[in-house]
Amino acid sequence: DAGVIQSPRHEVTEMGQEVTLRCKPISGHNSLFWYRQTMMRGLELLIYFNNNVPIDDSGMPEDRFSAKMPNASFSTLKIQPSEPRDSAVYFCASAAVRGGTEAFFGQGTRLTVV
Amino acid sequence: KNQVEQSPQSLIILEGKNCTLQCNYTVSPFSNLRWYKQDTGRGPVSLTIMTFSENTKSNGRYTATLDADTKQSSLHITASQLSDSASYICVVSLQTGANNLFFGTGTRLTVIP
Repeated sequence: DAGVIQSPRHEVTEMGQEVTLRCKPISGHNSLFWYRQTMMRGLELLIYFNNNVPIDDSGMPEDRFSAKMPNASFSTLKIQPSEPRDSAVYFCASAAVRGGTEAFFGQGTRLTVV
Repeated sequence: KNQVEQSPQSLIILEGKNCTLQCNYTVSPFSNLRWYKQDTGRGPVSLTIMTFSENTKSNGRYTATLDADTKQSSLHITASQLSDSASYICVVSLQTGANNLFFGTGTRLTVIP
């Protein structure tokens, strides 16, 4: 398996534009996580899916952020409209079962909003 | 409040030397603790996992310890190599709850020749 695949690796966009980040989890994993990483705050959980269903989105900063998982092999994180403070590295991770199990991370998407 | 704190924030050591990274947590009820290594520009990768009953575990030159009574863990790196330069993140898992992973902000280790 190629691991968790994220795209794009880098994204530079202007303030106000819509940004869509994509993730393909490891086949067979039923949990998917979106994290945001900044120097100041480290890794923060944004949203967590189990069996394609959003379980906890309390970490989503505000209504500008939305995430979907239409099937077991694909998820998106959308920011609309984007703001400079959204600049960060966004990681997607997947795990085989919920709770206490290793989360496998993708390589991240570095987002820069100018 | 469930928190994970790591120290030091950053560390620079000479190649070949040993070092120890610290992790203190207040997460409860505790399930397990993982140390992740995150190379620059890449996602974190798990190094070790420790449950409540384990107090030491090794993975090559990496040795993790856990004191569940004092809620402290350490990651000891022996005979450091340049490739050990990375961020090391301590992650503590709750026994229950959907959002059950708590991340430290990491220690940035730089190994210099």
